Amino acid sequence: QSVLTQPPSVSAAPGQKVTISCSASSSEIGNNYVSWYQQFPGTAPKLIIYDNNKRPSGIPDRFSGSKSGTSATLGITGLQTGDEAVYYCATWHNGLNTGVFGGGTKLTVL
Amino acid sequence: QVQLVQSGAEVKKPGASVKVSCKASGYTFSGYYIHWVRQAPGQGLEWMGWINPKSGGTRYAQKFQGWVTMTRDTSISTAYMELNNLKSDDTAVYYCARDPYDILTGYDYWGQGTLVTVSS
Repeated sequence: QSVLTQPPSVSAAPGQKVTISCSASSSEIGNNYVSWYQQFPGTAPKLIIYDNNKRPSGIPDRFSGSKSGTSATLGITGLQTGDEAVYYCATWHNGLNTGVFGGGTKLTVL
Repeated sequence: QVQLVQSGAEVKKPGASVKVSCKASGYTFSGYYIHWVRQAPGQGLEWMGWINPKSGGTRYAQKFQGWVTMTRDTSISTAYMELNNLKSDDTAVYYCARDPYDILTGYDYWGQGTLVTVSS
C-alpha cells in the first residue's frame, strides 16, 4: 500500500476539467514539496508540477497543482485526448527518509 | 541539452547481479543528485535511493539496503546502480532521474529506462 493515496482512475470528457487527489497517510511528509508526473505507456515519467504548484518550462497552464496540509491536488483543464496517461504524485517522507510515490491515477478522456 | 542516457536491457538469472549505468550530459554532473526509481510491469513507481555525484554519498530505501549499491564515475559523468541477488520480482524498468536536492523535490530529467528481466 502506497504512503500516498491516489484514486486508481478518473475520467472526463474533452474540454472538461478533472482533479486528481494525492493524500498522505501521515504527517511525516511535513512541509515537503509535492511533484506530479505524467506517464504514457512505454515511456519515462515526465515532470508536470514541482514545488506543489510550479510548472516546468513547456508545460501548459492547463495543468495546475496545489497542496494543503497532507493532501495535494493536480488539476487539468481543457482536457484533450492527448492527456490520457497515468499521473503520479511524489514527495519526500521524513519518517522513512525516502522518496515516496502515489500508486498512480489513470486518466481517461472520454 | 540535458540528457540522461541509460545502458541497454539486461536478462539475468535469479541470484545474479545487474549493473545499470546512467550517463549525464548537458549540465554539471556534480550539481544534481541522481535518484533511481523502478517500475515493475504494470505497476507504479518505486523509489530506490540516490547518490550525490559530488561526494559519492548515498541513501537507499530500507527495502534495498544491503543489496543495492549506487556509485559514480565523475570522470565520465556516469552514475551506476547495481542490484545483487536478483529475484524474479526484480523484473522491472529501472530509471535514473536528477534532482537538485537529496529529497525528492522534482525530477526534471529522466533516463529512458533500462528493462531488467530476471528469469531462469
